[in-house]
Amino acid sequence: DSGVTQTPKHLITATGQRVTLRCSPRSGDLSVYWYQQSLDQGLQFLIHYYNGEERAKGNILERFSAQQFPDLHSELNLSSLELGDSALYFCASSVATREDEKLFFGSGTQLSVL
Amino acid sequence: AQKVTQAQTEISVVEKEDVTLDCVYETRDTTYYLFWYKQPPSGELVFLIRRNSFDEQNEISGRYSWNFQKSTSSFNFTITASQVVDSAVYFCALANFGNEKLTFGTGTRLTIIP
Repeated sequence: DSGVTQTPKHLITATGQRVTLRCSPRSGDLSVYWYQQSLDQGLQFLIHYYNGEERAKGNILERFSAQQFPDLHSELNLSSLELGDSALYFCASSVATREDEKLFFGSGTQLSVL
Repeated sequence: AQKVTQAQTEISVVEKEDVTLDCVYETRDTTYYLFWYKQPPSGELVFLIRRNSFDEQNEISGRYSWNFQKSTSSFNFTITASQVVDSAVYFCALANFGNEKLTFGTGTRLTIIP
């Protein structure tokens, strides 16, 4: 158990809908990262938050947004969903601001868009 | 741009055999970090090792060993006396110093046959 909690574990929805994925980092970790794992794109970095502030963006679509709250949990919002958004979404946390530190990954949220 | 190549898509070996997973990376930076992660069938990503570009010493941890060679931009992973529990997808990843994202390879699916 990495200590990173992601909910829900599975999410099935329809095209055009909006969903929210939730992540609770390990106790004491200030950094939260979101990654998307799909069959065609592999593991792709989406976004990084540190202590409530956005630190870096990767290949994140404009239809997607994220935030980190004062209690350090984070949410990833996906809107106007398309079939291609079906993927496993991982959250990871670390103490430091840089990814050269050890990242602890959650077990992921499997999103299926039908 | 940084890139990680794991040319071996799938490998199958019989239990107790040794197996090496290859990883080749590309980066323009002189300071960077390399990682290996394991993704078992349960889906979570498990951290295995982090090495920085200044340290080319090989590392051994139990049945696992890593061979880092800057001259060939490779960071290979060897499992000695493989076990069924080693069956998983293994990802190699790269982070440049000060760059707040991990670039993952496409992964190698390792199947250990009992």
